[in-house]
Amino acid sequence: DSGVTQTPKHLITATGQRVTLRCSPRSGDLSVYWYQQSLDQGLQFLIQYYNGEERAKGNILERFSAQQFPDLHSELNLSSLELGDSALYFCASSAAVGNTIYFGEGSWLTVV
Amino acid sequence: GNSVTQMEGPVTLSEEAFLTINCTYTATGYPSLFWYVQYPGEGLQLLLKATKADDKGSNKGFEATYRKETTSFHLEKGSVQVSDSAVYFCALTDPTNDYKLSFGAGTTVTVRA
Repeated sequence: DSGVTQTPKHLITATGQRVTLRCSPRSGDLSVYWYQQSLDQGLQFLIQYYNGEERAKGNILERFSAQQFPDLHSELNLSSLELGDSALYFCASSAAVGNTIYFGEGSWLTVV
Repeated sequence: GNSVTQMEGPVTLSEEAFLTINCTYTATGYPSLFWYVQYPGEGLQLLLKATKADDKGSNKGFEATYRKETTSFHLEKGSVQVSDSAVYFCALTDPTNDYKLSFGAGTTVTVRA
């Protein structure tokens, strides 16, 4: 158990819908990361937050957004969902930028 | 930029065989190197890491040595078990890239009894 908690574990939704994925980082970790894992794209970095502020952006679509709250948990919002958004979404955390990054078990999203 | 190249899989082995997964990297700065493992139906787990040249990371019988001269971080295990069947990802973080984690494509390993 890495200490990073993600909910929900599985989610099935229809095209055009919006979902929110939630992440609680390891206790004390200030940095949160979101990754997408799909069969054709592999592991793609989406976005990073540090202590509530956006730190870095990767291959995140405009339909997707994220935030980190004062209690350090984070949410990834996916809207206008398409079939191609079906993937495993990982949250990860680290104590600070440059520290080892630990991953949650992921949220499986299926768009039908 | 940064990149990680892993040997392509899938790799199929018999129990007690020797496993090597090659990993080479390109980095602008002085990266830290990692191996993550993803067991079937599970998330990513940190397997081992090395933060400077000649460091050896080890865990669960797996080892990898940070070789700066060959820019490599090959993963090895002397005697694999069926329970080692998983996807293995080599990765790096680079201070010149704000420590973003860059992954290789992953290598699927299947161990047969």
